[in-house]
This record gives sequence, structure tokens and C-alpha cells, in this order.
Amino acid sequence: DGGITQSPKYLFRKEGQNVTLSCEQNLNHDAMYWYRQDPGQGLRLIYYSQIVNDFQKGDIAEGYSVSREKKESFPLTVTSAQKNPTAFYLCASSRGTGSNQPQHFGDGTRLSIL
Amino acid sequence: GESVGLHLPTLSVQEGDNSIINCAYSNSASDYFIWYKQESGKGPQFIIDIRSNMDKRQGQRVTVLLNKTVKHLSLQIAATQPGDSAVYFCAENIINNDMRFGAGTRLTVKP
Repeated sequence: DGGITQSPKYLFRKEGQNVTLSCEQNLNHDAMYWYRQDPGQGLRLIYYSQIVNDFQKGDIAEGYSVSREKKESFPLTVTSAQKNPTAFYLCASSRGTGSNQPQHFGDGTRLSIL
Repeated sequence: GESVGLHLPTLSVQEGDNSIINCAYSNSASDYFIWYKQESGKGPQFIIDIRSNMDKRQGQRVTVLLNKTVKHLSLQIAATQPGDSAVYFCAENIINNDMRFGAGTRLTVKP
């Protein structure tokens, strides 16, 4: 089945450590996104990529980094500079970034601090 | 309705009743809207979408209504079932797939 796979489901970060969240899609979508979800709040955009080897900062990019070396993969690194990393992280993809392109989501990674 | 506070609005309905979940969106220029369903510990699941040139769109057991005059979107679920229990949130497309998401409404279905 086509879809978006995020791993791991749960992740723990130690002080000063960088951690990387994986996102893979086999939908042949050009655009991919990373969001952060905090309790009681709407999704907030961290980074997005419209095409391979290109990505743009979203609303809350500080303390995060991404790469897009392959169309199907868009890993997110939560760096030690992100002082409040505890959240539910969601990856999404869409065919393109024009209007009327629904974003489809993976099942998320929950990141906690040790 | 939608909230950015810590506590989501809740809607509790009896199994078999119809549910109506509301959303107020922010930008009068938004041209595309989506309703998502999110179950606990999972990612959002696409339910139905609507373009701004439409007022109503129907799917299987769901209907979305769009009132651009008051920037209001609603999701109607017919014959609500226990499996419909989840958080529902709307998303609006501001421009070129810059989506803005509401915090959601928690729907609880009582058997």
C-alpha cells in the first residue's frame, strides 16, 4: 500500500544530543512537510520541501534541520539548540504545492526528553 | 468551534445521532479547505475537502458546508458511530499549499 512511514514511533533525547526522525513516502509526491503538534494546538510548520535538494523554513524552524536528498525521504533532525523539543512530530506529503493538493500524513513520532 | 488553548472543545453525541463540528477560519482569501480526523497516537487522516467555489460537498456519511461570508466551515457526520470518536480539525489553504490548521474538536460517541 502507498503511504507515509515515520520512525521511530517513540524517541527519547538526552541533554545536548541531536536526534533524527525518519520520514519515507512511496506516493511519488514531490512535496514533503514536517509539523510539530503540541497539546491543544494546531499543527505548526517546521520545514517543507517542494522538490529534491530544496527545502524552506516554516514558522518554527529554529533548532531543527532537514535534508531532501531523495524524493521519497525527508528526515528531520532535532538539534540541541531546540530547547523545548517534547512534542508529537508529523510528516506529510502532497503531489505538489499548488492549491487544492491535500496533504497526507504519517502516524507521527513522539519525542520526549530524558 | 476551534481553540488554540490547552483544552480542546468537546462534542459528545449518542451513537446513531448526527454530529456537527464547526470551524472558523482566518483568511478570506483561503481557497481550499480540508477536514481531518485524528485518533489518539496516530496521524491526521484526510476526510473530505472543499474548494472555495463550492458551498457544500458530500462524501460517505459526511458533508462539509462552507460559508465564505462569515468564514465558517462545518463537518456533518450522519449516524455517528463509536469508531468516529476522534479529534477533528479543519485546515485552510492560504496560498500555494501553505496550510493553516485549527486545534480541533474532540468528538466522543456514547454507545
